[in-house]
Amino acid sequence: QKEVEQDPGPLSVPEGAIVSLNCTYSNSAFQYFMWYRQYSRKGPELLMYTYSSGNKEDGRFTAQVDKSSKYISLFIRDSQPSDSATYLCAMSAAPGTASKLTFGTGTRLQVTL
Amino acid sequence: GAVVSQHPSRVICKSGTSVKIECRSLDFQATTMFWYRQFPKQSLMLMATSNEGSKATYEQGVEKDKFLINHASLTLSTLTVTSAHPEDSSFYICSAPAPRGRTEAFFGQGTRLTVV
Repeated sequence: QKEVEQDPGPLSVPEGAIVSLNCTYSNSAFQYFMWYRQYSRKGPELLMYTYSSGNKEDGRFTAQVDKSSKYISLFIRDSQPSDSATYLCAMSAAPGTASKLTFGTGTRLQVTL
Repeated sequence: GAVVSQHPSRVICKSGTSVKIECRSLDFQATTMFWYRQFPKQSLMLMATSNEGSKATYEQGVEKDKFLINHASLTLSTLTVTSAHPEDSSFYICSAPAPRGRTEAFFGQGTRLTVV
């Protein structure tokens, strides 16, 4: 079993839709959770960062963490064609500068006009 | 915000030659940097951790002599793919942990290596 599971998609939605992206994990030591967006042939770009359980909102993006279920989500409201990309969840057990991230496989999202 | 610059973005080389990829932290110092490899439609696989002033730490299954890592300063790490073969063709990405004790990492733009 992989430490982090993520549905690879592709997920296709019409413009304006609410998108839900999810990851599950098995390592209960994970406390730091991130979502990255990666456009084709580019490096990942940090979207959201959360610590422990709870919600965090930033513009059209909301990140949720449920540590009891080992489940994290990223919601995108009013999705735009420019949101079309691969979304990677990442997590870490250790704080600070030497932490290593464990990534999901990424979900490819396509927002259509 | 913190920026990590990776160069080149794309390189094509002949089989048997070596290729060097540079990763720079532009507005912060990074004593540690990470090198990843990404195959199409797959996630990032950590190859090694680059440590400023000391030897890199390689993940299991990664050949140290093939993927040479040098972290000569607090802002620069290099990955050299030696005696490249077509199976080394991949997308290589570096990252540096965010400064000031934060946990997230910032990534370079990635390097598309094609060995012909």
